Amino acid sequence: ETGVTQTPRHLVMGMTNKKSLKCEQHLGHNAMYWYKQSAKKPLELMFVYSLEERVENNSVPSRFSPECPNSSHLFLHLHTLQPEDSALYLCASSQRLCQRGGLCEQYFGPGTRLTVT
Amino acid sequence: SQKIEQNSEALNIQEGKTATLTCNYTNYSPAYLQWYRQDPGRGPVFLLLIRENEKEKRKERLKVTFDTTLKQSLFHITASQPADSATYLCAPQGGSQGNLIFGKGTKLSVKP
Repeated sequence: ETGVTQTPRHLVMGMTNKKSLKCEQHLGHNAMYWYKQSAKKPLELMFVYSLEERVENNSVPSRFSPECPNSSHLFLHLHTLQPEDSALYLCASSQRLCQRGGLCEQYFGPGTRLTVT
Repeated sequence: SQKIEQNSEALNIQEGKTATLTCNYTNYSPAYLQWYRQDPGRGPVFLLLIRENEKEKRKERLKVTFDTTLKQSLFHITASQPADSATYLCAPQGGSQGNLIFGKGTKLSVKP
C-alpha cells in the first residue's frame, strides 16, 4: 500500500447524477493532486492543492469541482458528466509541491474507475 | 508545446534479458526526471528520480540514465523477471508550472 486511499474504487453514474470521489493520504504530505487517465492517453493533471489551497486548475470543465478541507483529504465532486469523462481518476500526494522545484516523487492511490452512462 | 515520447507502446523480452525503455522529451529542460511502474487497474508507483546533473542512477536491478543533450532518459531492468511485466511511465519534471508531465508509457512483457 502506498499510504493513499481512494473511494469508491468503481463508480457508474448517469449524466444527471451528482457524486463525489474521496482521497485520503496518511503520509503527512503537503501537496495533493487529481489526475485523469484515459485509455491510450497519458495521465492528465487536473488539480493541484498545497496545504489546502488550490494552486492549479488545468482548464478542467466546471462539472468537476475539487475540495480540500485539510491537508489529508481531497474530494472531487462530479455533476452532469459526459460519457467522455469515463476514465480512471487518480489521486496522488507528495511531500513538496512540484511547482516549487526539488524532489516531488508522487504517491498514488489505486484510483476510481468511473463510467458515465 | 512540451512533449514526451516513450519509444514504444509495448516491449516483449525473454526472462533474464535486459529491458531498455526510452523516454524522449522536447521543448523544455526538466531539472528532474522520474520513472513510475503501473500495474493494470492500479495507480502508478514511484521507482526512481534522477537529477539533470546526474548521468546515471541505480536501484537494485534498475538503472536510469539522463542525457540532457539528447533530451533522453533510458530505463534499464537487468536480469528481467516475469514479475517485472507492467507499464512503465516516464515523467520529466519542470514543465511550464514545474509539474510532472507523464508519457503514455511502455508496456513491458517478460516471457518465461
